Amino acid sequence: DIQMTQSPSTLSASVGDRVTITCRASQSISNWLAWYQHKPGKAPKLLIYKASVLESGVPSRFSGSGSGTDFTLTISSLQPDDFATYYCQQYDSYSLTFGPGTKVDIK
Amino acid sequence: QVHLVESGGGVAQPGRSLRLSCAASGFTFNKNGMHWVRQAPGKGLEWVAFISFDGSNEYYADSVKGRFSISRDNSNNTLFLQMNSLRAEDTALYYCAKDVEAIFGVVIDSWGQGTLVTVSS
Repeated sequence: DIQMTQSPSTLSASVGDRVTITCRASQSISNWLAWYQHKPGKAPKLLIYKASVLESGVPSRFSGSGSGTDFTLTISSLQPDDFATYYCQQYDSYSLTFGPGTKVDIK
Repeated sequence: QVHLVESGGGVAQPGRSLRLSCAASGFTFNKNGMHWVRQAPGKGLEWVAFISFDGSNEYYADSVKGRFSISRDNSNNTLFLQMNSLRAEDTALYYCAKDVEAIFGVVIDSWGQGTLVTVSS
C-alpha cells in the first residue's frame, strides 16, 4: 500500500505569510495527488487535483506542484479564512490514501 | 447543487452492527462513484470504502475489509455502509462523499456533513 507523509504537522503563521506544506508518497504516484482543506465542524473541501490543477472556485493564492513522490501546497498570502487543516491524498492505486494532515494555525 | 445527507450513526456495542445511509441529490447519482471516509476523534481523514457508479466494483481499506460492506441503490439515490463486527477503533465521524469519476476512486469533490458512530460497551 502507498503511504503518505506530510510536513510539518503543525504550522503557525500570520495573515499575509507565504505558507508551504510538503507531502511525500512512499512510491511514485505520478501526479495523482489531491489537496483538501478541512475546518472543524465542516465538510472537507477539494482545493487541487492532479497535483497542480486548481478546483473551480478556489482562490488563486492556492497552488500545487510536484510529481513522482514529492509534492507541495503553497498559499501565497495567508488569509483569515485559510486557518484549517490541510490533507494530501493519493489516487494512484485502487485505494485512496490521505496524508496525516497539516494544521495551519495563527501565530 | 450536490447534497449528501448521512444517517444511521449512533452508539453500538463492540461486535454489533450498524448500517449507515447517505441520501444524495443535486447530481445524477448513477454516474459517479461514491466513497465513505471517516475521521476518528482527534485524528485525520481515513478512506474507508469506494463503490463504482453501477455497484460492480468495490474497494476497501485493510482496516475494514471483511467487516464492512458498501452498496448503493441507484433507483433511490442512496449509498449504504453495512458495518459488522464493530470495534472501538471504528468510532469516528463517517462522511459520505462523491467522486469525480465513475469506475475508480480518484478525487472527492463533494462531502456530506457526516454521521457519528460510537462503539462502546
